[in-house]
Amino acid sequence: EAGVVQSPRYKIIEKKQPVAFWCNPISGHNTLYWYLQNLGQGPELLIRYENEEAVDDSQLPKDRFSAERLKGVDSTLKIQPAELGDSAVYLCASSLSVGGTYNEQFFGPGTRLTVL
Amino acid sequence: DQQVKQNSPSLSVQEGRISILNCDYTNSMFDYFLWYKKYPAEGPTFLISISSIKDKNEDGRFTVFLNKSAKHLSLHIVPSQPGDSAVYFCAASAWGATNKLIFGTGTLLAVQP
Repeated sequence: EAGVVQSPRYKIIEKKQPVAFWCNPISGHNTLYWYLQNLGQGPELLIRYENEEAVDDSQLPKDRFSAERLKGVDSTLKIQPAELGDSAVYLCASSLSVGGTYNEQFFGPGTRLTVL
Repeated sequence: DQQVKQNSPSLSVQEGRISILNCDYTNSMFDYFLWYKKYPAEGPTFLISISSIKDKNEDGRFTVFLNKSAKHLSLHIVPSQPGDSAVYFCAASAWGATNKLIFGTGTLLAVQP
């Protein structure tokens, strides 16, 4: 069974440019997460989707970040415009959520973004 | 405010010996705790977890201990193997927010042959 797929794996852009990351979750997983991991830190949740609905986007900087999960399958995270401080690894994860209990999250390999 | 803390950035252990990784938390609402393992250029992978109703959970070479009064958990790896060399993240979730994980900063474990 294929795992969580992310592309691109690496991206280098200049500041003020837009950038987009793509994630395809594990087949059948209804919950999708985007995390930000800064160097030397643990992952921090940016947004969580239950099917097509963003149920937790409290940590998403909405002035420059946006995300969508059309049709409740794959998802795109966009930054426009990118700033130097956005350099980090962007991780996507998915899980099959059954209400009330913790559901294991499976992570993709991440996209390493460098903003020059 | 770091709710989950891993105060040791790195740990070096000889092959065959015990590795002990520590994690402290501040939020008393946390009721589920997990350890993730991460190799370079890969995403974190789930290793072991423990519910707050238990104080120990064991899976092969890996055991997690939870001390709720001290708000402390630890991961024991016995015996340690070179393939265990990775970054280990402690994570926690709170009742009512079961899928919202709060991660620590990670501990880099190096197992020397």
